[in-house]
Amino acid sequence: EAQVTQNPRYLITVTGKKLTVTCSQNMNHEYMSWYRQDPGLGLRQIYYSMNVEVTDKGDVPEGYKVSRKEKRNFPLILESPSPNQTSLYFCASSFWGSAGELFFGEGSRLTVL
Amino acid sequence: AQTVTQSQPEMSVQEAETVTLSCTYDTSESDYYLFWYKQPPSRQMILVIRQEAYKQQNATENRFSVNFQKAAKSFSLKISDSQLGDAAMYFCAYRSRLGGGSQGNLIFGKGTKLSVKP
Repeated sequence: EAQVTQNPRYLITVTGKKLTVTCSQNMNHEYMSWYRQDPGLGLRQIYYSMNVEVTDKGDVPEGYKVSRKEKRNFPLILESPSPNQTSLYFCASSFWGSAGELFFGEGSRLTVL
Repeated sequence: AQTVTQSQPEMSVQEAETVTLSCTYDTSESDYYLFWYKQPPSRQMILVIRQEAYKQQNATENRFSVNFQKAAKSFSLKISDSQLGDAAMYFCAYRSRLGGGSQGNLIFGKGTKLSVKP
């Protein structure tokens, strides 16, 4: 089954404790992206990747890091989480230039205390 | 930079009735995609319908259809025969067809929360 898988789905952590949210897709997509969703703000892009070893900042990259060492994986790293990073996070992927549709993971609810 | 605006934070419709959700966007490009995504309480982002800007014909998917007005930069979603399962947050989104860099990123509106009354 074609899918984008995120883990963990739910996480409560404390300020400053490094964490990684994993994202994996099995559709051989070149493009992958991370979004955060906050009430009243819609989805805002954090980072994106055009292909392996090619990443770039989105609209709200502060406090986050990413890497793309393999085509299928695109982890989101919070080196020192803060309460303002409490949010719902989505990973998404697509082929580049093919009808444009983004496929989303199921979301990761992160709470930073 | 492109922007997407959904002017209706909340909407309500009676079951079996028709409702239209509004979306406008701003771009200087001529070739792009437009989407409506549905987010039910499960939080999953589900593609409802897609429109390619070079196509004049409005997209239709069963009870869902769009009114795409390219010159006015308007992209509304019409839901016919509304069902209880249509209750969700709906997001309008824009994506450039141009390759390279941030131009291909998906840009979302802030969403419209749709309630369906039985």
